[in-house]
Amino acid sequence: QPVVTQPPSVSGAPGQRVTISCTGSSSNIGAGYDVHWYQQPPGTAPKLLIYGNSNRPSGVPDRFSGSKSATSASLAISGLQAEDEADYYCQSYDSSLSAWVFGGGTKLTVL
Amino acid sequence: EVQLVESGGGLVQPGGSLRLSCAASGFTFSSYAMSWVRQAPGKGLEWVSGITSGSGGSTYYADSVKGRFTISRDNSKNTLYLQMNSLRGEETAVYYCAKDFLSSPYAFDIWGQGTMVTVSS
Repeated sequence: QPVVTQPPSVSGAPGQRVTISCTGSSSNIGAGYDVHWYQQPPGTAPKLLIYGNSNRPSGVPDRFSGSKSATSASLAISGLQAEDEADYYCQSYDSSLSAWVFGGGTKLTVL
Repeated sequence: EVQLVESGGGLVQPGGSLRLSCAASGFTFSSYAMSWVRQAPGKGLEWVSGITSGSGGSTYYADSVKGRFTISRDNSKNTLYLQMNSLRGEETAVYYCAKDFLSSPYAFDIWGQGTMVTVSS
């Protein structure tokens, strides 16, 4: 079982806004470690979407935003587009495991 | 263009060994931490191992591979390696090489296309 948990799936219609949660504990997100988000369309390698809780690498549209609070983080996607359909993963560091950890992933379906 | 190209995957019997390579180009390889991340068929991402920048990089391993896998880097060849011994069936996965933002593992900003490792008799 991943130490950081995500909902298995979310969905939304084109143009809508969706959020994906990432819930951790006092040994990872709650300990102050940064959260990063990745997008993985089917059959492709993951792509960094958000780093350091809320920062976008160059080239990532501002429709994607991240936030962090206490022991959890969230990824928000506004103005949903068909091309946003993918798996999304959060990632942080866990001090109990001394390891970098990924959430279980969330499949986004654009209706 | 910043690029990572993995190689060395294939079919191996349980208990066998395999060495993965990751050739880097388009950036100063020695300045950044590197990691291996795997993904079993239909499953999520799992961090496997990481190494800090420089020539005598510190190494880090997931508990599941500690003592069996060894990560290393050759900065003169811009290449990252993962030596995998005593492989198990549940380690069948696509293995990705990933470049870090920083000199120590933090967030992975560039990923290779992955190399498939199948552990089966």
